[in-house]
Amino acid sequence: DTEVTQTPKHLVMGMTNKKSLKCEQHMGHRAMYWYKQKAKKPPELMFVYSYEKLSINESVPSRFSPECPNSSLLNLHLHALQPEDSALYLCASSQSNNMNTEAFFGQGTRLTVV
Amino acid sequence: GQNIDQPTEMTATEGAIVQINCTYQTSGFNGLFWYQQHAGEAPTFLSYNVLDGLEEKGRFSSFLSRSKGYSYLLLKELQMKDSASYLCAVTDSGAGSYQLTFGKGTKLSVIP
Repeated sequence: DTEVTQTPKHLVMGMTNKKSLKCEQHMGHRAMYWYKQKAKKPPELMFVYSYEKLSINESVPSRFSPECPNSSLLNLHLHALQPEDSALYLCASSQSNNMNTEAFFGQGTRLTVV
Repeated sequence: GQNIDQPTEMTATEGAIVQINCTYQTSGFNGLFWYQQHAGEAPTFLSYNVLDGLEEKGRFSSFLSRSKGYSYLLLKELQMKDSASYLCAVTDSGAGSYQLTFGKGTKLSVIP
């Protein structure tokens, strides 16, 4: 199983809503990531979890709140988002935070904030 | 910080060979990845280079020169399905943790 599964695939939410994005992998990877990708732009790193602990937060606004309940799951809780937060949110995982291992990406959640 | 530069767009003919270049500047280089991304889909891994030289994998090859801060991705026998964005990404040892930073991507169009 070399899959990273993200749900939902599409999400439309209002600016006052609270929603969560979910990511799951069963490859035994101990590093998991959230990236944000706007149209025609490269993915931008948001958060890195290593061994279920947050190791990198790339100055992401507090309306995005990550959570890593266990080594297989990664959530991104969303609250009071703005229309400019509309983007493709990609989850990725890698074997560890060892820098010479490839990252596997999920198919992403396409988020639209209205 | 990091600075990764690659051409924005390229066009090539089916069956031909195309080379996509990437230059980078980084404070703590620890490897370079190439990813392929079709429109609306997730990036998929193509290759990884950490030592100087050429890595070959089927129709795809990737080259790295650490002293020059330069890499290229070579695609042979182009097929229409190779039309996609190709992302150069660099790992950095900053903060002692894994950071994968992407270039802006090169959109490749393969024409008949």
